[in-house]
Amino acid sequence: ILNVEQSPQSLHVQEGDSTNFTCSFPSSNFYALHWYRWETAKSPEALFVMTLNGDEKKKGRISATLNTKEGYSYLYIKGSQPEDSATYLCAFYYAGGTSYGKLTFGQGTILTVHP
Amino acid sequence: DVKVTQSSRYLVKRTGEKVFLECVQDMDHENMFWYRQDPGLGLRLIYFSYDVKMKEKGDIPEGYSVSREKKERFSLILESASTNQTSMYLCASSLQGTAYNEQFFGPGTRLTVL
Repeated sequence: ILNVEQSPQSLHVQEGDSTNFTCSFPSSNFYALHWYRWETAKSPEALFVMTLNGDEKKKGRISATLNTKEGYSYLYIKGSQPEDSATYLCAFYYAGGTSYGKLTFGQGTILTVHP
Repeated sequence: DVKVTQSSRYLVKRTGEKVFLECVQDMDHENMFWYRQDPGLGLRLIYFSYDVKMKEKGDIPEGYSVSREKKERFSLILESASTNQTSMYLCASSLQGTAYNEQFFGPGTRLTVL
């Protein structure tokens, strides 16, 4: 089982603060990295699917970068709002070995934005 | 509007019971997945299916089986429920090509085994 690490495990910020968190993954056999947002009482929703080293994606105030050579991705939220409070999950796609490729998820970063 | 539905939001069962969790998607997706989520562990893949009647074991298949008789429906079966299967179960689906296609998740079933 692959190791996908997210840090920090939880984060409390004030409304208006910018914040970022990290997803670390094995740098070999890289295919793709996914970011999902999971709000309480809702379903996880995809934010980004990233495939290229140096890729940078943006959706509103949220952006993500990818470094496949060193095995990490950063998620940034600019000017956090209370509605950004959620668990942010990254997932690494691995296709090595004899089995079909699948996503391996990190344990998530729980973000709480205080008004 | 893309939709993945799960048969129950909350379920309480007794040890030893056979439990069926149903998932239906209306997006004509080839891939379907079952995950469980436990505090501090993230989502762990139980089984997935890339076509009707096809299935592949995920990371934690022990104690579970699956069935996919129709493209839109993927069932997770706990043959004899045990207390360590108390968890949140999430179903997801995606287009072919798991690497490059986002997964769409259902609302989850919180299963308690007494």
